[in-house]
Amino acid sequence: KQEVTQIPAALSVPEGENLVLNCSFTDSAIYNLQWFRQDPGKGLTSLLLIQSSQREQTSGRLNASLDKSSGRSTLYIAASQPGDSATYLCAASEGGNEKLTFGTGTRLTIIP
Amino acid sequence: GAVVSQHPSRVICKSGTSVKIECRSLDFQATTMFWYRQFPKQSLMLMATSNEGSKATYEQGVEKDKFLINHASLTLSTLTVTSAHPEDSSFYICSARVPPGEGYTFGSGTRLTVV
Repeated sequence: KQEVTQIPAALSVPEGENLVLNCSFTDSAIYNLQWFRQDPGKGLTSLLLIQSSQREQTSGRLNASLDKSSGRSTLYIAASQPGDSATYLCAASEGGNEKLTFGTGTRLTIIP
Repeated sequence: GAVVSQHPSRVICKSGTSVKIECRSLDFQATTMFWYRQFPKQSLMLMATSNEGSKATYEQGVEKDKFLINHASLTLSTLTVTSAHPEDSSFYICSARVPPGEGYTFGSGTRLTVV
């Protein structure tokens, strides 16, 4: 059974700093891995999707990497802004049944 | 991009009543939709997979007679919480897989409070 873990559970950094969020998964046979952000009381917004054959994806100030062999993915946020404050979730997809297994989330606070 | 519309965003109901939550794919067809439940400060837990034209597949521990799922068309899936109790109070979110290779898109969620 796939298990996804995110460390740290919470993170506070001053505005302008670069930061890295970590995601670990136990079963390397994933179809893809997706990063989401969730604002309080809201749904999920997709940030980046990495297919199993890819090593990284970039969108603006965000860069996500994937290392299947070690069961890890990272989300790098450059030049953080207060608007980046949210909970970030990673989710691993199993190819056969399309199920997503979510990580425990990292609650990020950017201090102005 | 692909959008999933979920309604209502917030509902309060009395204990013992039923509540229906709708999830629509607006600009694509969703053969499969997923229903999640999220407790405060916790991650999303998959409840069931909704398949158009067939019965839903429920995760272990989820009561299928309590959480009724209907996926009658390629753009609409509904979740009905029957005989709701306070412990059913939670945040429910639906999801659909977008065209191949594009991952998943999520509804905005429904905050259910049973009093």
